Amino acid sequence: GQQVQQSPSSLVLQEGENAELQCNFSSTATQLQWFYQSPGGSLVSLLSNPSGTKHTGRLTSTTVTKERRSSLHISSSQTTDSGTYLCAIGGSGGSNYKLTFGKGTLLTVTP
Amino acid sequence: EAGVTQSPRYAVLQEGQAVSFWCDPISGHDTLYWYQQPRDQGPQLLVYFRDEAVIDNSQLPSDRFSAVRPKGTNSTLKIQSAKQGDTATYLCASSDRDQDTQYFGPGTRLLVL
Repeated sequence: GQQVQQSPSSLVLQEGENAELQCNFSSTATQLQWFYQSPGGSLVSLLSNPSGTKHTGRLTSTTVTKERRSSLHISSSQTTDSGTYLCAIGGSGGSNYKLTFGKGTLLTVTP
Repeated sequence: EAGVTQSPRYAVLQEGQAVSFWCDPISGHDTLYWYQQPRDQGPQLLVYFRDEAVIDNSQLPSDRFSAVRPKGTNSTLKIQSAKQGDTATYLCASSDRDQDTQYFGPGTRLLVL
């Protein structure tokens, strides 16, 4: 089955620094999403980016489909960005699909 | 618009006890997913429905887990005879067949002693 590897497993930054999170996957994916999971456990979709580059606010995701990798760049980090960032891929056709998640990157932003 | 709701938020059981989790998806979403997320792991899909039909339950431990969505709206996930290894957060998500994004509920945190 599909496998998703995320790195680093954890990252500590000072407020204002930038973060670069990596996601590598084992097989071609037609869907790729980045999620944020708060310390309380709630999961929120940040970006859907199966290929190319996409921006939203302070987040930039770049996915190189042929190389089976995606990155999430967080600029000017804030303490409220602390939490776990999860990468998930889906490979089936149609609008509904099964997501395979990585283990996540735990980001801690200190004041 | 109300999001995905789940109940209970927490459950603590002794091994061998049964428990049910309930999920109310976003109104109009035809697809509903149940995930299991052990501590320090990513969510792992257990089962998903389109309307009332099970599309894939290949990862659902069928001897003790069951899931239903009888009217294509709310869903119940049940664990018979829980084991310590079932300790995890159980997440429900829903999506619309015309969109790719899955919307997640707050989860139910289960501890089996």
